[in-house]
Amino acid sequence: EAGVAQSPRYKIIEKRQSVAFWCNPISGHATLYWYQQILGQGPKLLIQFQNNGVVDDSQLPKDRFSAERLKGVDSTLKIQPAKLEDSAVYLCASSSRQSSSGNTIYFGEGSWLTVV
Amino acid sequence: QKEVEQDPGPLSVPEGAIVSLNCTYSNSAFQYFMWYRQYSRKGPELLMYTYSSGNKEDGRFTAQVDKSSKYISLFIRDSQPSDSATYLCAMRVQGGSEKLVFGKGMKLTVNP
Repeated sequence: EAGVAQSPRYKIIEKRQSVAFWCNPISGHATLYWYQQILGQGPKLLIQFQNNGVVDDSQLPKDRFSAERLKGVDSTLKIQPAKLEDSAVYLCASSSRQSSSGNTIYFGEGSWLTVV
Repeated sequence: QKEVEQDPGPLSVPEGAIVSLNCTYSNSAFQYFMWYRQYSRKGPELLMYTYSSGNKEDGRFTAQVDKSSKYISLFIRDSQPSDSATYLCAMRVQGGSEKLVFGKGMKLTVNP
């Protein structure tokens, strides 16, 4: 079974520029998450999709971050304009309600963003 | 007070040692408790999962949940250099959003 795919793996941009990250979840997984992990901290949920609808985006800084999941499969996370404090790893994850482990969440390897 | 507290370490032990990792939490509604392992420049991978209170064992790993004390632990027996990673505790409530709330993560190094 292929895992969660993310791209690009690494990105360096200047502040006030824009950046977009792409995620392809595990096939058949209806739930998709974007987490932000700042160095030395645990991941923090930015947004959760169930199919192509938003379930939770309470911690998404909506003035600069946006995300979409068209057709309920792939997703993109965009940051515009970027700030220095957005430097972090952006983790995409997916889960299936059919999992026997209470909705096991599988993470991708992350997209590493450095804002200079 | 943060919802989930975890000592970030780092922790360095010799090969073969027993390792104890802990987290405390404040939200009594948490019912699902997980431990994730994260290798350098990789995403977290699920190591152990426990529902409500009790113990769960899987090979060299044992997870314990004490809901009365709001305290969870992960024990690693006969630790190996390959166990060197960051260990994150995570938890969530039952029902509703499946949002996981993570601790900061403890960086463990097992020295050969």
